[in-house]
Order: sequence, then structure tokens, then C-alpha cells
Amino acid sequence: DAKTTQPTSMDCAEGRAANLPCNHSTISGNEYVYWYRQIHSQGPQYIIHGLKNNETNEMASLIITEDRKSSTLILPHATLRDTAVYYCIVSGGSNYKLTFGKGTLLTVNP
Amino acid sequence: GAVVSQHPSWVICKSGTSVKIECRSLDFQATTMFWYRQFPKQSLMLMATSNEGSKATYEQGVEKDKFLINHASLTLSTLTVTSAHPEDSSFYICSVRGHSMNTEAFFGQGTRLTVV
Repeated sequence: DAKTTQPTSMDCAEGRAANLPCNHSTISGNEYVYWYRQIHSQGPQYIIHGLKNNETNEMASLIITEDRKSSTLILPHATLRDTAVYYCIVSGGSNYKLTFGKGTLLTVNP
Repeated sequence: GAVVSQHPSWVICKSGTSVKIECRSLDFQATTMFWYRQFPKQSLMLMATSNEGSKATYEQGVEKDKFLINHASLTLSTLTVTSAHPEDSSFYICSVRGHSMNTEAFFGQGTRLTVV
């Protein structure tokens, strides 16, 4: 399974963009990058995923480097409700499971 | 996305008793469901993969006779914690995922189990 590395924690000011990095240097060609977040005592919430092209939806943007060894999740205008643990996961091909690492605790400050 | 409902949201039981947790996929036929466990201040740990109509596949170190999984239909999987002990107290979460390799998974709201 491809492993991911994320910073333990990050802070962001309300209204500013939050950029959350993730390294996945051992990703395979058919594995996707997924981002989830978990607000305290709730189940994880799907945010976005991509293979090699940048992706955008109503929640966030996902920027994947050309070599696919790292990616960045961008929350364009962070709000207090975006405070959560954000997980970057690689999955696909023969690796059908979603294996969670420690994630990044994003704290959005007023 | 798919709506996944777990029941109960929380449960308190006595040591030695068994507890059943239900995971329902309300609008999605889930051939595969996943069960996770999460201890305080830790990440989610995958316990088992539940396949409709067949036996579940357990992760290494997870006792299949203690954590009984039944996935009898495309919309329901159950996890039974047998002979529960205080160390089984945890947050149990299920998820469903489409069969294609590039589909996202959707998670239930979780079940808080406390064994006293």
C-alpha cells in the first residue's frame, strides 16, 4: 500500500485559503489520491479525489504534482466549521481499501 | 453521495454481553462495506471488509470470532461485538464503496460503544 505523509497540524485564519500538503512518493500508476476529513466524533466526510489532473468541486481543489508524488488540498475560504482532521489516502488498482494515516489537524482561527 | 446510516449512535453495555451495530446503505447497493475502529485521539483502523453474500475478510490482528460480521443484503451489514470487555470500548464506523476502483467511499456517523 502506498503510504502518505502529512504534517501533524496546521493553523489557518478564517476567510483565508488553507493549503494542506501530502506526500505520497510510492504511489502506483493506477492509484488515486483521496481526501477526507473528520470532525470530532463524526464519521469521515469525503472531500475530493483525483488521479493526475487537478480537480475542483464545491468544497475544495486538489492539486497533484506532475510526478504524482505529492498533492495539496486547498480550501479556498476557510471557515470555523472547516476545523477538522484531514486525511490524505491513496487507493486504487489492487489496493481497494482506504487505509487512514494520522492526518493533519487543521484549526481555523477567528 | 451515498447516505450511510449506523444504528445505534451510542451504546453502553455490561462486560460479557454482546452488542450488535447495524450499517445501512440507504440509497446505494453496496457489495462491499468496511468496518473501522477508532480509539480516542487515534486514526481509524480498518477491521474488516464485508462482502455481500460471503464471509468477511479480517485485517491482521482482528479476531473474527469476537467481531462477527454479517452482510446479508446489499443495503445492510452488521457488526456484533461478542463478549464485550472494557478494552472494546471504541468508536466503530462503517463505510460503503462502489465497485469501481476510482470511486469514493461514504461513511456512517459512527457508533460509540462503552463497555462497563
